[in-house]
Amino acid sequence: DIQMTQSPSSLSASVGDRVTITCQASQDISIYLDWYQQKPGKAPKLLIYDASTLEVGVPSRFSGGGSGTDFTFTISSLQPEDFATYYCQQYNNLPYTFGQGTKLQIK
Amino acid sequence: QVQLQESGPGLVKPSETLSLTCTVSGGSVSSGNYYWSWIRQPPGKGLEWIGYIYYTGRGSHNPSLKSRVTISLDTSKNQFSLRLSSVTAADTAVYYCVTLHCSGGSCGFDNWGQGTLVTVSS
Repeated sequence: DIQMTQSPSSLSASVGDRVTITCQASQDISIYLDWYQQKPGKAPKLLIYDASTLEVGVPSRFSGGGSGTDFTFTISSLQPEDFATYYCQQYNNLPYTFGQGTKLQIK
Repeated sequence: QVQLQESGPGLVKPSETLSLTCTVSGGSVSSGNYYWSWIRQPPGKGLEWIGYIYYTGRGSHNPSLKSRVTISLDTSKNQFSLRLSSVTAADTAVYYCVTLHCSGGSCGFDNWGQGTLVTVSS
């Protein structure tokens, strides 16, 4: 299985901050990576696919990048509704695997 | 927009079989638009892909669950189902039914049910 490692596991930030989360795959996954946002008690929501393509309706303050084994997820200016847990997930190989999550908290 | 709703027992005894059904609205399980999938999340933990089934009946599941998983379609009811046998406390989780949409090599889990908590306990 491909292991997905996110860092940091948790992050405190303020409204308006720029934050970046990284995700590293244990082997080359090209650009076959998604990012999800999950709020407490809710199902995850797809934000980005193909490492950098925003899902329809997702605000442009969210962005993603990278290829191969190293990926980034950035929120350019944090909004109150962005405090949540974020997961990366690879779909290059079965079984699909997720990172352990990054919890973004209010400072 | 496809909508999904999980249903099934919230409590299952150890060694028994967990059975969940996902009712689909706004789309058809007989179409080739999606892979009909299950994902679970133990309380306070991360996400684990369980498996999927395609409208052809072809499917795949996570080898970590060995041969305990069965995913099936019921086209007459526009539903798909999950059966997980020989459950233990480690199978306690929120179970989500999800659509996996793939197009031109791009894939994403784009529609999610609200999730249902299944607790394994005697």
